[in-house]
Amino acid sequence: EAGVTQFPSHSVIEKGQTVTLRCDPISGHDNLYWYRRVMGKEIKFLLHFVKESKQDESGMPNNRFLAERTGGTYSTLKVQPAELEDSGVYFCASSQRLAGKNIQYFGAGTRLSVL
Amino acid sequence: AQSVTQPDIHITVSEGASLELRCNYSYGATPYLFWYVQSPGQGLQLLLKYFSGDTLVQGIKGFEAEFKRSQSSFNLRKPSVHWSDAAEYFCAVLMDSNYQLIWGAGTKLIIKP
Repeated sequence: EAGVTQFPSHSVIEKGQTVTLRCDPISGHDNLYWYRRVMGKEIKFLLHFVKESKQDESGMPNNRFLAERTGGTYSTLKVQPAELEDSGVYFCASSQRLAGKNIQYFGAGTRLSVL
Repeated sequence: AQSVTQPDIHITVSEGASLELRCNYSYGATPYLFWYVQSPGQGLQLLLKYFSGDTLVQGIKGFEAEFKRSQSSFNLRKPSVHWSDAAEYFCAVLMDSNYQLIWGAGTKLIIKP
């Protein structure tokens, strides 16, 4: 069974440009999460999808970030326009269950460098 | 507010020595606790989890962790480390209100030959 996959593994862009990150969850997992780790800080929650619906986007930093999950399968996270402080590692996770024993499985992350 | 504290940013141990990584949490309800590991160039891999029941939980790669409610701790242990254990280790608690994971800052484990 394939795990959570993320593309690209690394992206280097200039300030003001647009970047789109992609996450393919484990097949059959309705729940998909985005997290981010900025250099030197803790991993922080960004948002949570249940199928194609945004369940919780309380962690999204501002309106330059847009997440979508078309058809409840893969998800994209777009940053437009990118700022220097957006640099960090973006992790995607998926889980099968929500309540009770919610186990989130993570991808390898996308390292975003904004210059 | 809910939080997770990993007091050690770096830990260095000799290969073959025992290991204990500390994790303390602040959470009002019964916590669901996790340890994840990130090896160089890899993603976050689940080492072990605690939901309920036996307070000593076994994980992959020979790791175990003990939940101590009285100390609000969930420390990770391994009796004998291997060079391949060099990685960054994260403790996390799941918020059952909104299913977010709250993370500690991570502990980097360095193995001396």
